[in-house]
Amino acid sequence: QKEVEQNSGPLSVPEGAIASLNCTYSDRVSQSFFWYRQYSGKSPELIMSIYSNGDKEDGRFTAQLNKASQYVSLLIRDSQPSDSATYLCAVDNAGNMLTFGGGTRLMVKP
Amino acid sequence: SAVISQKPSRDICQRGTSLTIQCQVDSQVTMMFWYRQQPGQSLTLIATANQGSEATYESGFVIDKFPISRPNLTFSTLTVSNMSPEDSSIYLCSGDGSPAFFGQGTRLTVV
Repeated sequence: QKEVEQNSGPLSVPEGAIASLNCTYSDRVSQSFFWYRQYSGKSPELIMSIYSNGDKEDGRFTAQLNKASQYVSLLIRDSQPSDSATYLCAVDNAGNMLTFGGGTRLMVKP
Repeated sequence: SAVISQKPSRDICQRGTSLTIQCQVDSQVTMMFWYRQQPGQSLTLIATANQGSEATYESGFVIDKFPISRPNLTFSTLTVSNMSPEDSSIYLCSGDGSPAFFGQGTRLTVV
């Protein structure tokens, strides 16, 4: 069974710090990886996608992928209270059908 | 990216009744996916809907409980049948595409 694992948290960081969110996946043939942000009561919102090994940066967000270790992470620089949400790691195993991790709840304290 | 309009956004239903959730995409998509998110949990795929064929259900989900329609390439419905309080969840539809995009979700409460 294909699995995506995340630490449920909560991960608490002070405002301005770097938040580091981690995710591991079990299916070695996975090719596409996504990070979604979900505010309470809202639907998931895509914030990053990554398809090849290495780092991908977009503003304050950096996604890191290591296929050999089956590991993907999300770094949020200069964390803001508005970043407080649940972050879902998702893996596209076949045909855009996503398997989601359990999510990590991030709390950024002013 | 494409946009999905999902409705209703929320509903409170009596146990034993059924609710149909609709998703309309502003462009054609080959596959649509239906997810359930139980309170405090992540998203679990219910089924994949293709036009012109029966939906493909994931383990633990059956057609009698969650019938799905996919009459064309821009529309799909999910019905939650004979509801019980355990069905209280957020239900989300998404369209294929990389990355996948989601409707706004339907928050269902069964009393």
